[in-house]
Amino acid sequence: GENVEQHPSTLSVQEGDSAVIKCTYSDSASNYFPWYKQELGKGPQLIIDIRSNVGEKKDQRIAVTLNKTAKHFSLHITETQPEDSAVYFCATYYSGTYKYIFGTGTRLKVLA
Amino acid sequence: DTAVSQTPKYLVTQMGNDKSIKCEQNLGHDTMYWYKQDSKKFLKIMFSYNNKELIINETVPNRFSPKSPDKAHLNLHINSLELGDSAVYFCASSHFYDGYTFGSGTRLTVV
Repeated sequence: GENVEQHPSTLSVQEGDSAVIKCTYSDSASNYFPWYKQELGKGPQLIIDIRSNVGEKKDQRIAVTLNKTAKHFSLHITETQPEDSAVYFCATYYSGTYKYIFGTGTRLKVLA
Repeated sequence: DTAVSQTPKYLVTQMGNDKSIKCEQNLGHDTMYWYKQDSKKFLKIMFSYNNKELIINETVPNRFSPKSPDKAHLNLHINSLELGDSAVYFCASSHFYDGYTFGSGTRLTVV
């Protein structure tokens, strides 16, 4: 069925440390995996995405890795800063349904 | 220029009333969506339109009715509002198979 599990639900890190958020999906036909950042009072914003023909993608301090065999993908944020504090959502495109299924969100808090 | 704009940003209304939320996108995207975000931050799709055609209609009470006059607009009308309808409603758009651009949300409070 349609399912994306996201862990952890909350994550606190010291400024400068790394943060990792992991998602597991169930649909083996999924081939597009975006990550969104939602700041307080705003809509989610696409920050990075990866397609199934790629194992890793980097954009400055953020990176996403994909393991299609295990059906999981992860968001990595290095050198975290207070402005990285937000709720992060993963998503997968669920084949045959024309819709994305979102993970349950991770509240990241970067402590100065 | 705002890419996906929705109005109003806040909406406080009494139970039983009818209200509408409007959404417009200037990105030239062909697909638009309505999502509901509850107090636990869960994002759940409600409707999706592709080129003005309804393609997703989740298990949503029929008090909720979307309307897409053209592919740049997707409005949401809600009849007979209930307390449980209180949430943040997000409009989003995309090229059919790409990531979304979300609006800033409409916080609906039913009292």
